[in-house]
Amino acid sequence: NAGVTQTPKFQVLKTGQSMTLQCAQDMNHNSMYWYRQDPGMGLRLIYYSASEGTTDKGEVPNGYNVSRLNKREFSLRLESAAPSQTSVYFCASSTGAATNEKLFFGSGTQLSVL
Amino acid sequence: ELKVEQNPLFLSMQEGKNYTIYCNYSTTSDRLYWYRQDPGKSLESLFVLLSNGAVKQEGRLMASLDTKARLSTLHITAAVHDLSATYFCAVSFTGTASKLTFGTGTRLQVTL
Repeated sequence: NAGVTQTPKFQVLKTGQSMTLQCAQDMNHNSMYWYRQDPGMGLRLIYYSASEGTTDKGEVPNGYNVSRLNKREFSLRLESAAPSQTSVYFCASSTGAATNEKLFFGSGTQLSVL
Repeated sequence: ELKVEQNPLFLSMQEGKNYTIYCNYSTTSDRLYWYRQDPGKSLESLFVLLSNGAVKQEGRLMASLDTKARLSTLHITAAVHDLSATYFCAVSFTGTASKLTFGTGTRLQVTL
């Protein structure tokens, strides 16, 4: 089972460049999330989508946009990358309904902005 | 402000020893998660604790939740090298798995 698939795994950008991180899940989950992880810190929520067609800001949304393309796919876009966006990005998904729901994470994208 | 604090941040322990990782949070919540992350890898769900007094165990790890004290513990029994990883607690303040607030993590190193 693929679970949550993220692409690319690594990316180097120059300041001001744009890019889109892709995420797809094959578990028929309703909710999807984008987190960033910085050294020595826990994960911080950027955006999430509780269900297809809806998106909401998380803790650190500035500089990012998201698209819930369909139930399977949730993309994260950096319009004008900045060095402060150097981080490891994780996509996750969950059922969004069960009382003991848990998040399933992708393998991460390591992004460096020079 | 929503805060989730873990301690210790780093823990080096010998195989066979017992130890506890603590997770304190600042605001009422009835849903707490524990995750494991190996270096360079993604996060793996360990436990979901949903109510006061909840206790879950798997192998050498046992997690508990005290919602009145706003405290969760992850107890390690007779540590083995394979448990070396970073452990995160995460708290939901919304009643669902959305908008989790993560602690800073506890890096556990089990030495032979």
